[in-house]
Amino acid sequence: KNQVEQSPQSLIILEGKNCTLQCNYTVSPFSNLRWYKQDTGRGPVSLTIMTFSENTKSNGRYTATLDADTKQSSLHITASQLSDSASYICVVRTNFGNEKLTFGTGTRLTIIP
Amino acid sequence: KAGVTQTPRYLIKTRGQQVTLSCSPISGHRSVSWYQQTPGQGLQFLFEYFSETQRNKGNFPGRFSGRQFSNSRSEMNVSTLELGDSALYLCASSDQGTGKETQYFGPGTRLLVL
Repeated sequence: KNQVEQSPQSLIILEGKNCTLQCNYTVSPFSNLRWYKQDTGRGPVSLTIMTFSENTKSNGRYTATLDADTKQSSLHITASQLSDSASYICVVRTNFGNEKLTFGTGTRLTIIP
Repeated sequence: KAGVTQTPRYLIKTRGQQVTLSCSPISGHRSVSWYQQTPGQGLQFLFEYFSETQRNKGNFPGRFSGRQFSNSRSEMNVSTLELGDSALYLCASSDQGTGKETQYFGPGTRLLVL
């Protein structure tokens, strides 16, 4: 069964610090991996989309990495800001079968001043 | 361009009732997908519509149905509501729905079933 596991479930860091969120998946065959940011009470917003051949992709202070061999991805946030407080969701897509998207349950990140 | 809009934003229903949620995609987008989000299960895919046709369907019972109109607006219907249907229902649109492009989510409809 396709699965996406994220860690940690929750994380609290001081403003200005860096952090890294993890995503491990068993989805096969792999098409792409996305990271979303979801603020409380709002819909998710796409941060990055990575395909098999991409190892790193950046979006401002967000940098996602992908290791397709080990089926792992990480999202690194640099110089965190209070507005980074949100849930971060990893989503892996396959082009096979009916349920093409498998969602992680997210990491709840809280930035404290 | 205006973003994805969903109506209503909040809804309270009782068990056994039915509900219809509406989603207006970004102008020009032809793919609309629906998701259910609960604290315990996270985001789960309901179905996807493209050019008025259901293209993919998740593992939800037949009580969950949807449709898409010629202007790409989509509706989702849940019949015979159960307590477990309480959730945030999110709609997302994309241009072609190829899976390689960005999906844009609406703010969601929060449904509470009493």
